[in-house]
Amino acid sequence: QVQLQESGPGLVKPSETLSLTCTVSGGSISTYYWTWIRQPPGKGLEWIGYIYYSGATNYIPSLQSQITISVDTSKNQFSLHMRSVTAADTAMYYCARAHSTGYSLGALDIWGHGTMVTVSS
Amino acid sequence: DFQMTQSPSSLSASVGDRVTISCRTSESISTYLSWYQQKPGKAPKLLVYAASSLQSGVPSRFSGSGSGTDFTLTISSLQPDDFATYYCQQSYKSSWTFGQGTKVEIK
Repeated sequence: QVQLQESGPGLVKPSETLSLTCTVSGGSISTYYWTWIRQPPGKGLEWIGYIYYSGATNYIPSLQSQITISVDTSKNQFSLHMRSVTAADTAMYYCARAHSTGYSLGALDIWGHGTMVTVSS
Repeated sequence: DFQMTQSPSSLSASVGDRVTISCRTSESISTYLSWYQQKPGKAPKLLVYAASSLQSGVPSRFSGSGSGTDFTLTISSLQPDDFATYYCQQSYKSSWTFGQGTKVEIK
């Protein structure tokens, strides 16, 4: 059974870089879109972007200049790096697996538990 | 600009009620539409994908319908475990988006 687990610092200073890693266990990182989603406290879900195992990426336009998603297939991990963070980036960050073919393309069927990141000095 | 509108933002219902949640898009997304349930402090859970396909393990009281720009999630008989927030999500456009959410509360 595939499981996802986010890891990374829970506190980041303003203007610094937020770095999170998602470890995929119980299955291969190939074939699917590996996705990051965030949720500010008390608010809705925001899709951040995804990476395919080949390295192809797709990001939300509003964050495109600020983020990088990378994959390490040898470790079955993918990562999110978000530069120059502000308090507005405080949120629960989730990694998730998305289907990559057919009409189920984009359906997020497996999620990590999430990791809370606070941006504060 | 692509818009996605989910309604209502909240609703109150009783156990046994039939509940419908709407998701509308400003342009056609074919059937690239999924529905999720989220409970407080938990990650979202996939309920329906491809607009009307029930995810494995999801109770049959949940159903999805629609295509193009108008979509609906229906709970045929609301159960105590169903009180949660529900989100739609489109994956047709290159930039995926979620609806604003619908909180289903106990009447």
